[in-house]
Amino acid sequence: EVQLVESGGGLVQPGGSLRLSCAAAGFTFNTYAMSWVRQAPGKGLEWVSAISGSATSTYYADSVKGRFTISRDNSKTTLFLQMNSLRAEDTAVYYCAAREERGYSPFDYWGQGTLVTVSS
Amino acid sequence: DIQMTQSPSSLSASVGDTVTITCRASQGISNYLAWFQQKPGKAPKSLIYDASSLQSGVPLKFSGTQSGTDFTLTISSLQPEDFATYYCQQYNHYPYTFGQGTKLEIK
Repeated sequence: EVQLVESGGGLVQPGGSLRLSCAAAGFTFNTYAMSWVRQAPGKGLEWVSAISGSATSTYYADSVKGRFTISRDNSKTTLFLQMNSLRAEDTAVYYCAAREERGYSPFDYWGQGTLVTVSS
Repeated sequence: DIQMTQSPSSLSASVGDTVTITCRASQGISNYLAWFQQKPGKAPKSLIYDASSLQSGVPLKFSGTQSGTDFTLTISSLQPEDFATYYCQQYNHYPYTFGQGTKLEIK
């Protein structure tokens, strides 16, 4: 059974940092590109960042570039998102999502999400 | 960045109705478009990929079509469990982008 389980969310002050994790199981992790997608309260879905299966390529939305860093540990089948200089507008549920690396491919799997609240 | 313009933003329909949601890409994305269903407090669920291919386990009442950069999701014979929010998403280029969402409500 495929599982993506996010953790690390919580309440943080503006300007603070947080590190999210996404533990994966049930599929060949290093053959899947991974993404973070977020959803602010009552709003739509926003893609945040992606990383290739081998971790050689990373991609970021302009809204987080220079503040967030995506990484992965294939030996532990875990995805990370280091979030620095957090702002109120980063408040959202953060989902990890997986897509098989075979050219253009859709998200196959989603986690259940972890809530990040940026507030003083 | 590729903009995905989804319409309508909300839709009211009755059980048994057929509804259509549209998504327009700001530039060509081939057929690299997915549709998702999301219920409150839940993760998105994939319905359709490659514009018209049904995900495994998704009922045939859901269908997707493409005409150039215009994409359509049709849901037939609406049931209570279909009332949710629907999103389109392009995966042709990073940054991946989503439509604004369509909230389907019971009339």
